[in-house]
Amino acid sequence: GEEVAQTPKHLVRGEGQKAKLYCAPIKGHSYVFWYQQVLKNEFKFLISFQNENVFDETGMPKERFSAKCLPNSPCSLEIQATKLEDSAVYFCASSLYPSQETQYFGPGTRLLVL
Amino acid sequence: QQQVKQSPQSLIVQKGGISIINCAYENTAFDYFPWYQQFPGKGPALLIAIRPDVSEKKEGRFTISFNKSAKQFSLHIMDSQPGDSATYFCAAQGGYGNKLVFGAGTILRVKS
Repeated sequence: GEEVAQTPKHLVRGEGQKAKLYCAPIKGHSYVFWYQQVLKNEFKFLISFQNENVFDETGMPKERFSAKCLPNSPCSLEIQATKLEDSAVYFCASSLYPSQETQYFGPGTRLLVL
Repeated sequence: QQQVKQSPQSLIVQKGGISIINCAYENTAFDYFPWYQQFPGKGPALLIAIRPDVSEKKEGRFTISFNKSAKQFSLHIMDSQPGDSATYFCAAQGGYGNKLVFGAGTILRVKS
């Protein structure tokens, strides 16, 4: 498609529950990036993919977060055993090339952990 | 470590005025500097971007000025309109992984 699609729009989980977020990049874009935007607008990079391969995972809290981009499927970001501090808006972005190239953002998934 | 510093945190401008937002960076590996506009409940949308081989780029009412030696860049919004009221983020990209590193954001309000 012509836009990055993210589902669901909102997600509410009790502390300790699992959360799974999905992202469909723009058709033809090989690079997918996940960012977390917390309350004070701060963006934090989580992970990026080149097609189905992890490109950069330096931002991922590996003990509870995992992500995949499989062929012919939306990319996913999964949080096992959510914590209160995971409450944030999670954005997915895609780009044609990895550098000096616009990253197009989806509308985000707002995760609330109670 | 905040690699991109953005100021001011918030800005109120009269309709028709000029809005100016400034950013400074530290990492000399950065080679692409986009500005994003974000409305409440929406994802960031690219406004304008510049590469470091250019000192200024203009698109409509939006201009980026870039000073490579000072490691600073700024966004100027000419003839600001109430519809420009949003949060603006500068960002920088380059080096390992090419992730975007965002500034803290500037909440712009244009009074009519």
